[in-house]
Amino acid sequence: KQEVTQIPAALSVPEGENLVLNCSFTDSAIYNLQWFRQDPGKGLTSLLLIQSSQREQTSGRLNASLDKSSGRSTLYIAASQPGDSATYLCAVRREDEKLTFGTGTRLTIIP
Amino acid sequence: GAGVSQTPSNKVTEKGKYVELRCDPISGHTALYWYRQSLGQGPEFLIYFQGTGAADDSGLPNDRFFAVRPEGSVSTLKIQRTERGDSAVYLCASSSGRSSYNSPLHFGNGTRLTVT
Repeated sequence: KQEVTQIPAALSVPEGENLVLNCSFTDSAIYNLQWFRQDPGKGLTSLLLIQSSQREQTSGRLNASLDKSSGRSTLYIAASQPGDSATYLCAVRREDEKLTFGTGTRLTIIP
Repeated sequence: GAGVSQTPSNKVTEKGKYVELRCDPISGHTALYWYRQSLGQGPEFLIYFQGTGAADDSGLPNDRFFAVRPEGSVSTLKIQRTERGDSAVYLCASSSGRSSYNSPLHFGNGTRLTVT
């Protein structure tokens, strides 16, 4: 059974700093990995999707990497802003189409 | 263009009642998913539709839960004889095409269900 872990559960950093969020998964037989953000009381917003054949994806200040063989992904956020405060979730997809989610990292950017 | 729409946004019901939750996916998306999210947890898979048929319903917790998608667009998640443990946020997502393995999922804002 696929298990996805995100550490730390919560993180606070001053505005302007660069930061890294971590995601690990137990079964490397994945099709892709997707990073989402979730604001309080809201649904999930897709940030980046990395296919299993890719090593990284970039969108603006966000960069996600994938090391499938070691079961790890990181989400790098450059020059953090207060608007980046949210919960960040990673999810992996296998052949059965289901996404398996981690429990998320709650990020707070301190102005 | 419109995203995934879920109604109602909030639903409070009494234990034992029947509820229906509606999901309107992004136009043209053939894949539709239902997930359930409890407080402080990541979403958990319930059911997946490809077109009108339920391709995988292995995440439905018991036979009180049922979902339909009769015309391959709007989906309804139905919960009979609700229990307090059913309280959660029910999220719907859609993605495009049969090649959905590498298409991102787009989520709605969810329906917060509270069973009193």
